[in-house]
Amino acid sequence: AQSVAQPEDQVNVAEGNPLTVKCTYSVSGNPYLFWYVQYPNRGLQFLLKYITGDNLVKGSYGFEAEFNKSQTSFHLKKPSALVSDSALYFCAVRDPRMDSSYKLIFGSGTRLLVRP
Amino acid sequence: GAGVSQSPSNKVTEKGKDVELRCDPISGHTALYWYRQSLGQGLEFLIYFQGNSAPDKSGLPSDRFSAERTGGSVSTLTIQRTQQEDSAVYLCASSSRGSSYEQYFGPGTRLTVT
Repeated sequence: AQSVAQPEDQVNVAEGNPLTVKCTYSVSGNPYLFWYVQYPNRGLQFLLKYITGDNLVKGSYGFEAEFNKSQTSFHLKKPSALVSDSALYFCAVRDPRMDSSYKLIFGSGTRLLVRP
Repeated sequence: GAGVSQSPSNKVTEKGKDVELRCDPISGHTALYWYRQSLGQGLEFLIYFQGNSAPDKSGLPSDRFSAERTGGSVSTLTIQRTQQEDSAVYLCASSSRGSSYEQYFGPGTRLTVT
């Protein structure tokens, strides 16, 4: 069965420092991978996705993620964190081979706290 | 343009009552999803609509849950005889057809069953 793991419940980083939010997946075949961010009392906002092509994908708000097939990982990164990046981040996977639906399988979420 | 909208934003109901949650997807999006976000449970898929195809109901937790999508647009999620464990944020998302397209989420409906 497909699954996504976000091993860190919370990541703490100082403003201006680089940040990494980890994600690993388990999917047969080639996965479609997504990152979403959730601010308090808001819905999920799409950040970026990997479908095919370059392993490094760039998304909104200066975020990027690197797809690593051998390590089955899709870590979210940003070179310089902002206090306003503090939010809940979700990694998600979709198995493109599934015919019944294109539902997303979500990780448990990682809370990012950027301190001034 | 307008995003996905959901109503009500908050709903408090007594155990045993029925509730209806509404989702208005982005215009032109043929795919519509319902997810549930519970404390300690993360985000779980409930149901998927795509055009006129039969919906994928594989994520509905019990037969008390049902959903409709009328005219290929607005969707209603109905929970009958609500239980306390139904308390959660119910999120709706829509997307263009195809597995590579990202889903756009609404703000959610926070349901509290007392």
